Amino acid sequence: AQKVTQAQTEISVVEKEDVTLDCVYETRDTTYYLFWYKQPPSGELVFLIRRNSFDEQNEISGRYSWNFQKSTSSFNFTITASQVVDSAVYFCALSGGSSGSARQLTFGSGTQLTVLP
Amino acid sequence: DSGVTQTPKHLITATGQRVTLRCSPRSGDLSVYWYQQSLDQGLQFLIQYYNGEERAKGNILERFSAQQFPDLHSELNLSSLELGDSALYFCASSNRSGTGNEKLFFGSGTQLSVL
Repeated sequence: AQKVTQAQTEISVVEKEDVTLDCVYETRDTTYYLFWYKQPPSGELVFLIRRNSFDEQNEISGRYSWNFQKSTSSFNFTITASQVVDSAVYFCALSGGSSGSARQLTFGSGTQLTVLP
Repeated sequence: DSGVTQTPKHLITATGQRVTLRCSPRSGDLSVYWYQQSLDQGLQFLIQYYNGEERAKGNILERFSAQQFPDLHSELNLSSLELGDSALYFCASSNRSGTGNEKLFFGSGTQLSVL
């Protein structure tokens, strides 16, 4: 079975601070995909990033960066110079390469990020 | 705006009743997914349809059913409602059939309250 753990339930930072959201996953699939989604107060889930299990190259996109480490089964997400508008619930998710429901997203429990002015 | 439309936004009903949630996917997307978000269970996959056919089924109760129509909109039917069915129900769509690496576009959800 697939599992995603986000140990941080809530994080509060002051604007302009950097913040890292942790994600640890479990899967038996050799091919899988990792995602981060954001849920702002408006409620709609918004796609942020996707990574394939065979692509461990980390990436920076603007203020966002991702650190994927297969050796520790972690897929952490960092916001640099946080802004108040970054306040949201952030979900890490996993989908497997095998058939059927395993291909669907398994979400972590989410991390509520609050950025204070 | 994701382009996925869900109606109604809010629904209040009583135990034992039946409701229908509606979803219109983004233009051109053939796949529709239904997810349930509750405080105790988190975000859970319910069911996926691709071009009118059921493609994958997750933790969907037998009291729940769904379908996707020829115009690609989808409906989630919840019957014999219980207090524990109160949740935010999301619809998402993608332009792929369910290979696992799809980027999903989510609607704003239907908040169901069962009293």
